[in-house]
Amino acid sequence: NAGVTQTPKFRILKIGQSMTLQCAQDMNHNYMYWYRQDPGMGLKLIYYSVGAGITDKGEVPNGYNVSRSTTEDFPLRLELAAPSQTSVYFCASRPDAGGLNTEAFFGQGTRLTVV
Amino acid sequence: AQKITQTQPGMFVQEKEAVTLDCTYDTSDPSYGLFWYKQPSSGEMIFLIYQGSYDQQNATEGRYSLNFQKARKSANLVISASQLGDSAMYFCAMRESSNTGKLIFGQGTTLQVKP
Repeated sequence: NAGVTQTPKFRILKIGQSMTLQCAQDMNHNYMYWYRQDPGMGLKLIYYSVGAGITDKGEVPNGYNVSRSTTEDFPLRLELAAPSQTSVYFCASRPDAGGLNTEAFFGQGTRLTVV
Repeated sequence: AQKITQTQPGMFVQEKEAVTLDCTYDTSDPSYGLFWYKQPSSGEMIFLIYQGSYDQQNATEGRYSLNFQKARKSANLVISASQLGDSAMYFCAMRESSNTGKLIFGQGTTLQVKP
């Protein structure tokens, strides 16, 4: 089982550059999430999606965009990279069936440095 | 607004002893779920234990137990018989009963187990 796969694992960007963080899951989960984790801090929600074609902002969406054209993929786009976006990015997915106790599955993370 | 607070940035525990990691939360939703995740130095997020707001008994999973005090809005994680492999960052998280399934995380507690 591949689960949630994030690529790349590491990336260094220059200020003003753009990139897309890829996230794919093979569990047929409708719910997907992007979080960022700053050093020594907890995870903060950037964007989420409850199904293909449906996305919404989380707590810290500024500077990011997402799309959800398929159930499997949920890419995160950084248009103009800034040093404040240096962080570890986690993608997660969750089945839409079940209650509050349904576990979220996390990818391995992408460590992004903007210089 | 929902909020999770972990007031212990770092904790030390002697191997084979028990340790309690604190977590308090705030929500106006009567139906919610509380989660604990472990993040080792390798960076992945590992689900440990879940407690529902309507659960009558405290959750237990092997060496992990959750001391749930609903009136105090606290959900402390107890790790019994600490092992060196328990050294990691630990996050408390909450999910409310909205249909988005998103998790709100605390700041985390770094636990170091001494031999």
